[in-house]
Amino acid sequence: AQTVTQSQPEMSVQEAETVTLSCTYDTSENNYYLFWYKQPPSRQMILVIRQEAYKQQNATENRFSVNFQKAAKSFSLKISDSQLGDTAMYFCAFMKDTGRRALTFGSGTRLQVQP
Amino acid sequence: GAGVSQSPRYKVTKRGQDVTLRCDPISSHATLYWYQQALGQGPEFLTYFNYEAQPDKSGLPSDRFSAERPEGSISTLTIQRTEQRDSAMYRCASSLTGAADTQYFGPGTRLTVL
Repeated sequence: AQTVTQSQPEMSVQEAETVTLSCTYDTSENNYYLFWYKQPPSRQMILVIRQEAYKQQNATENRFSVNFQKAAKSFSLKISDSQLGDTAMYFCAFMKDTGRRALTFGSGTRLQVQP
Repeated sequence: GAGVSQSPRYKVTKRGQDVTLRCDPISSHATLYWYQQALGQGPEFLTYFNYEAQPDKSGLPSDRFSAERPEGSISTLTIQRTEQRDSAMYRCASSLTGAADTQYFGPGTRLTVL
């Protein structure tokens, strides 16, 4: 079974600054996918970024980028130029490449962007 | 449709009553997932469908929980004889196929059992 750990329950950052959210996971799979989802106060679940484990290049989506370290089983999210709208709960998630493709989520990190 | 929709958005019920939650996935999506999210936690897998087939329902917490997707599109999740511990956000997600496609989530149904 896979586990996903987010060790930072809460974080705070000043507007326009950069923040990094941590995520580690445990799996015996070699091929898999990793995701960051954002849950704003509206409680929608919005995909932020996706990383394929077979790709060495770190994924980037505008101000959002990841640092994927496969050997260390680490998958952190960096948010650059933080905006007030980035205030949300952020969930790291894992998906196997075989069998049931259900997502396994971490417990989340609550990010507060301060003006 | 343009996105995944769920109804109702909020449901309050009394212990012992049955409830049915509905999910309408993105129209081209073959695969549909149900998750349960307790307050302050990440979602946890309940069950999923490939079209109308339900290959895995191992995440359903008890036999009071059941799900259907009879025509391979809209799905319902039914909880019989609700208990207070069933109070949670129930989320539906859909993906294009059952392969490693991104899952897109609906807004969820918040269930409160009194």
